[in-house]
Amino acid sequence: EPEVTQTPSHQVTQMGQEVILRCVPISNHLYFYWYRQILGQKVEFLVSFYNNEISEKSEIFDDQFSVERPDGSNFTLKIRSTKLEDSAMYFCASRQDTSQETQYFGPGTRLLVL
Amino acid sequence: SQQGEEDPQALSIQEGENATMNCSYKTSINNLQWYRQNSGRGLVHLILIRSNEREKHSGRLRVTLDTSKKSSSLLITASRAADTASYFCATVGYGQNFVFGPGTRLSVLP
Repeated sequence: EPEVTQTPSHQVTQMGQEVILRCVPISNHLYFYWYRQILGQKVEFLVSFYNNEISEKSEIFDDQFSVERPDGSNFTLKIRSTKLEDSAMYFCASRQDTSQETQYFGPGTRLLVL
Repeated sequence: SQQGEEDPQALSIQEGENATMNCSYKTSINNLQWYRQNSGRGLVHLILIRSNEREKHSGRLRVTLDTSKKSSSLLITASRAADTASYFCATVGYGQNFVFGPGTRLSVLP
């Protein structure tokens, strides 16, 4: 069964550094999402992406964050100048099209900012 | 309270018992979905119920939706130790972005 994959599974970085989290959505899916989950808290929506542009973003998704689909398979989340509070699990999800309401989640990248 | 609030926050039962988790929300929804998360892992989709549906079954799972009360419940029958996980409801508005609740941590004791 096709699945969403994410790399790396774990990332440790120093405060102020930039990180890029990578996702490979399911191949025929058109809608892509990033969520984050701070340890012990709820999963929070960051951004949705369709047709090579952001379709919606939350208050969390400020200028520090950016997303890109650099080729036909990868979907990346870049976090510039990381802060301690960016430490969280970051989940990528994809959805096939408007007729499919289920989002399929990747296993997540655990980011630790020191 | 926030959209997609589950209760209880934690639930501990014996294997073979039924587990019921509830979710309440505030705004209109297109559908509501339940996900499971094993400790430190990703989210696994369990079941989706649309706003015009009242009940849905999938194996040992039964989901109900009461749009007048803006609430949903997830029932897991004949629980197993492998059902131990956190369970989240996610409400989906017409913009198709999910709003997750804080989750219920279910422990099924052998």
